[in-house]
Amino acid sequence: NAGVTQTPKFRILKIGQSMTLQCTQDMNHNYMYWYRQDPGMGLKLIYYSVGAGITDKGEVPNGYNVSRSTTEDFPLRLELAAPSQTSVYFCASSYSDRGITEAFFGQGTRLTVV
Amino acid sequence: AQSVAQPEDQVNVAEGNPLTVKCTYSVSGNPYLFWYVQYPNRGLQFLLKYITGDNLVKGSYGFEAEFNKSQTSFHLKKPSALVSDSALYFCAVRDRNTGGFKTIFGAGTRLFVKA
Repeated sequence: NAGVTQTPKFRILKIGQSMTLQCTQDMNHNYMYWYRQDPGMGLKLIYYSVGAGITDKGEVPNGYNVSRSTTEDFPLRLELAAPSQTSVYFCASSYSDRGITEAFFGQGTRLTVV
Repeated sequence: AQSVAQPEDQVNVAEGNPLTVKCTYSVSGNPYLFWYVQYPNRGLQFLLKYITGDNLVKGSYGFEAEFNKSQTSFHLKKPSALVSDSALYFCAVRDRNTGGFKTIFGAGTRLFVKA
């Protein structure tokens, strides 16, 4: 059971470039999340999804887009990369959005924008 | 508004000694509380959660946490630390009446266990 898988693990982007961070989970979870982790700041929610075809903004959505065409996949798109998007990105999923269910996290993508 | 505070950036403890990683929270209603651990170059892993009832919650790897409603705290503890416990620990909280997307994570506390 692979859990939550993110690719790539590392990436360097030039300012203005675009890229897609991939996330897939094999636990049949409806709820999926994208977070960014900055030093000393904890995790900030970028976007989340409550099921295929349904997404919504989190706390820090600017500069990002998501889609959810299947239950398994939840890619995060960066358009026109900026240095402020240098961060570690985590994808997570959970069985339920309510109740006392914990989240399962991927290994993260370390992105540097130069 | 919800918030969570981890007042210590770093905790140092000798192997074999007890450890405590502190967490305080603020929610408008009753909380769900979580602890996660992050090892180098890995994602967060769930350790334990507070549901209801017994204020002392036991989790993975010998960790436990004590919920204190009057002090709005949920400190993580372990009776005897191991070098392998060295990692980054995150406390997380959300109001029971909100969805998972409303989970707030603390800034994290780095635990160093010295042999």
